[in-house]
Amino acid sequence: NAGVTQTPKFQVLKTGQSMTLQCAQDMNHEYMSWYRQDPGMGLRLIHYSVGAGITDQGEVPNGYNVSRSTTEDFPLRLLSAAPSQTSVYFCASSSIPDPYEQYFGPGTRLTVT
Amino acid sequence: EDKVVQSPLSLVVHEGDTVTLNCSYEVTNFRSLLWYKQEKKAPTFLFMLTSSGIEKKSGRLSSILDKKELSSILNITATQTGDSAIYLCAVLSNFGNEKLTFGTGTRLTIIP
Repeated sequence: NAGVTQTPKFQVLKTGQSMTLQCAQDMNHEYMSWYRQDPGMGLRLIHYSVGAGITDQGEVPNGYNVSRSTTEDFPLRLLSAAPSQTSVYFCASSSIPDPYEQYFGPGTRLTVT
Repeated sequence: EDKVVQSPLSLVVHEGDTVTLNCSYEVTNFRSLLWYKQEKKAPTFLFMLTSSGIEKKSGRLSSILDKKELSSILNITATQTGDSAIYLCAVLSNFGNEKLTFGTGTRLTIIP
C-alpha cells in the first residue's frame, strides 16, 4: 500500500494563478480531509469529505475548492492564489466511523509570491 | 469557536530527562482527544483518549485525559534524541459531522 500520496511536494505560484494539489489514498477510506499548517497556528481544516460525491467546509475554506468523484482521490483547487495561502498542505484519510486515526500524506509546501 | 491550547510551545531537555506536555481545550460536543508526533513531515498518531482518568501507555510514552479540567498531559520518560519532534494535540468533536481541531504543538528538543 502506498497510503496517502500527495503531489507536488513543492510548488511556487504567482499571485492570481490557479492550481490543483493532488491527493490519493489506496486504503479504501471514506473520510478524506485537507489541512494547512502555518507556523504558530497548528493544523487547520480546509475541507473534508465523508465519501464520494460529498464534501463540506472546514475551518478555513475560503479560496479553496474540492471535489470527490472517487473514493481514492480528493484534489484541492486554489482558484486565485494569494500570498496568504503560502503554507504546508496536508491531506489525510481515515475510515468511518472513526475519523480519529487519520493517515497523513507527506505534505505539499506551497509558496505564493 | 473550538480552541485547543498546548504548553509549553517549546521545550529543550537533556537525554534521559522526563517531560510533561500539556493540552487544554474548549470545544462543544467533545468526543475524544488525540496526540500526534510530527517529525520532518506528516503527523503520526500516538494516542486517542476518550475516558477521563484512564492512562494510555506505549513504551516510554503515556497520556491521560481529565475531562473535568478539560485537559490532557503527555509524559515521556527517559527521553532519547529520537523523541525530538513537534507533539500535536487535537480534539475530535461533534457527532455525524466530526471535526478535528489541532493545537499549535509543542516543539520538543532532546540534547544528547
